[in-house]
Amino acid sequence: SSELTQDPAVSVALGQTVRITCQGDSLRSYYASWYQQKPGQAPVLVIYGKNNRPSGIPDRFSGSSSGNTASLTITGAQAEDEADYYCNSRDSSGNHLRYVFGTGTKVTVL
Amino acid sequence: QVQLQESGPGLVKPSETLSLTCTVSGGSVSSGSYYWSWIRQPPGKGLEWIGYIYYSGSTNYNPSLKSRVTISVDTSKNQFSLKLSSVTAADTAVYYCAREQITMVRGVIVYYFDYWGQGTLVTVSS
Repeated sequence: SSELTQDPAVSVALGQTVRITCQGDSLRSYYASWYQQKPGQAPVLVIYGKNNRPSGIPDRFSGSSSGNTASLTITGAQAEDEADYYCNSRDSSGNHLRYVFGTGTKVTVL
Repeated sequence: QVQLQESGPGLVKPSETLSLTCTVSGGSVSSGSYYWSWIRQPPGKGLEWIGYIYYSGSTNYNPSLKSRVTISVDTSKNQFSLKLSSVTAADTAVYYCAREQITMVRGVIVYYFDYWGQGTLVTVSS
C-alpha cells in the first residue's frame, strides 16, 4: 500500500515563498488535496485537484503535481499561514480503496 | 453553509466500544454527490482516515481498522455514526467527521474533504 511522505518542518521569512512537497506512489494515479491545520482547530481544505482553491482561500496558495510528487506553494507567506499542512490522496493499490494522509509539514513564518 | 458536529462520550474504557455520531446541517446525507467520512488524529500526531459511508449504506474502511469499525447512516436524522470496538489507549484521538466531495474538474475526477466537524477528543482509559 502507498504512503505519503512530507518534510516534517519548513520555515519561511514573512513575504517570501515556500514549497511543501508530498511524495507517494498513489499520486501517480490521483491528485492530492491539501489541508491547513492550526493548533486546536479542524483541518481546512486549501487546494484540491490539479490546482483548485475553495472559495475564501487566498490566491497565494497554489498546487502542482508531477509523477509521484505533489506540491503546495505559498507565495508571499503571511503570519497567519503558520500551521501544519497535510496532503491526502486516494490509494487503490493492494486491491483495496482507501485514503491516505501525508505525515504533515509544520510551516513556521519568521 | 454545511456544518458537521460530532457528539458522543469523551471517555471510553479499554476493551469497550467507542460510539460517535455526526449531525449534518445545511446539507443532506441523502445527497448522492457526497461520501461521509470519519478521520482521527492522536494527540500530537497526524491524520488517519477511518472510513466512509454513502447514503445508500455502502461503506469502505481503512484496512488497518476494518475488523473493529462500523459506520452507519440514519437519513431520517441526517446523521452518520461510528463504532470502534475493542478500544485500547492507542485509539485515544480527536475524531473528526467530514464530507467528501467527488467531482469532475476539467475532465478529471477529483476527491477532497470540503467540510469538517470541529472534532471531539475521545480518551481511552480505565
